[in-house]
Amino acid sequence: GAVVSQHPSRVICKSGTSVKIECRSLDFQATTMFWYRQFPKQSLMLMATSNEGSKATYEQGVEKDKFLINHASLTLSTLTVTSAHPEDSSFYICSASEGAVNTEAFFGQGTRLTVV
Amino acid sequence: QKEVEQNSGPLSVPEGAIASLNCTYSDRGSQSFFWYRQYSGKSPELIMFIYSNGDKEDGRFTAQLNKASQYVSLLIRDSQPSDSATYLCAVLSGGYQKVTFGIGTKLQVIP
Repeated sequence: GAVVSQHPSRVICKSGTSVKIECRSLDFQATTMFWYRQFPKQSLMLMATSNEGSKATYEQGVEKDKFLINHASLTLSTLTVTSAHPEDSSFYICSASEGAVNTEAFFGQGTRLTVV
Repeated sequence: QKEVEQNSGPLSVPEGAIASLNCTYSDRGSQSFFWYRQYSGKSPELIMFIYSNGDKEDGRFTAQLNKASQYVSLLIRDSQPSDSATYLCAVLSGGYQKVTFGIGTKLQVIP
């Protein structure tokens, strides 16, 4: 399968600071990238969908000013958690798809964010 | 009613047995169905996808889809301890072209 690289795999930050997570498709062009959040013992929850060169589409209840998504190229999307708080601590996962929807999308390794 | 429902488990089966994982969904217009395996602390990995009613086999894995009953299942034959993981059912909805995940079923294969 295709390779999606997510970095960093683990990050600890202080409350009030911002954290940037990168998601790269290494061997294909990702028309669409998806960002998920997974709390312990819960399912993946889609946060937003980003298409290269356009603004991200956020799911209901996700603050777009807090979770900044940039999809500047066909191989890179970034998620920035701004002014992080302890309740933002979670497992963040990106996935990338060559098509418009996340069918057969490939997942990155995930980023464990801990806000202290 | 949740869009995609799974029993969270754990489901325990002895090594070598068949593990049966079940999933129901609420959107009748759903088009595609996926099974992912997720090890603790790791990202999901796609095991199988199925679009049409009936069975689809790939090695030790068989996905079964019944759209009339809005039911999809995953069978794992000759279960191995390395199969122990959480299995996520995901459904592509017809209207919104969005994949929704179930909570996942934790499978434990006992040696």
